[in-house]
Amino acid sequence: GAVVSQHPSRVICKSGTSVKIECRSLDFQATTMFWYRQFPKQSLMLMATSNEGSKATYEQGVEKDKFLINHASLTLSTLTVTSAHPEDSSFYICSATGTGNSYEQYFGPGTRLTVT
Amino acid sequence: ELKVEQNPLFLSMQEGKNYTIYCNYSTTSDRLYWYRQDPGKSLESLFVLLSNGAVKQEGRLMASLDTKARLSTLHITAAVHDLSATYFCAVDEYGNKLVFGAGTILRVKS
Repeated sequence: GAVVSQHPSRVICKSGTSVKIECRSLDFQATTMFWYRQFPKQSLMLMATSNEGSKATYEQGVEKDKFLINHASLTLSTLTVTSAHPEDSSFYICSATGTGNSYEQYFGPGTRLTVT
Repeated sequence: ELKVEQNPLFLSMQEGKNYTIYCNYSTTSDRLYWYRQDPGKSLESLFVLLSNGAVKQEGRLMASLDTKARLSTLHITAAVHDLSATYFCAVDEYGNKLVFGAGTILRVKS
């Protein structure tokens, strides 16, 4: 089956620094990748949608200058949290759809970000 | 704006019992997904329902979709402890953009 990986799985950073999270589709080409955020005991909220080679589309209320998304290839998307603050601490999950069954969304294992 | 409501939000079940989780959504959609999430983990895909009347079963779980009523159900048969997890439904708003329900925390007691 289609596999999506994320790196790192867990990261702790100091307030004011930036952190980059990678999302890779390992065995398929991801035409579209999605970034979600999940706070403890809450549901997943879509942050942005990215298509390879084009600018990401951000959901209402998500600061595009704070959460930089790059989808430079069909197998890699990155999310950079800039000038992180403790309130950015969350579980970040990416997903990807491929060119085959385009309705199937494959989720990565998630990245736990803690900002101290 | 699409809204997705799940109920119940918390479900405590005895082993061997049956129960149903409901997922209502507010606008037309042809795709509905069910996922399982274990603590500290990401999502595991359970079912993708693509048309009105679709029914899918895997083990003790069965999901159905009624697009006219904008309702999906996840039925649990003869629950076992291993089914304890959080279950999410998600609806495709458009272009694979998923809107998730709040999730149902299922605890199966032996």
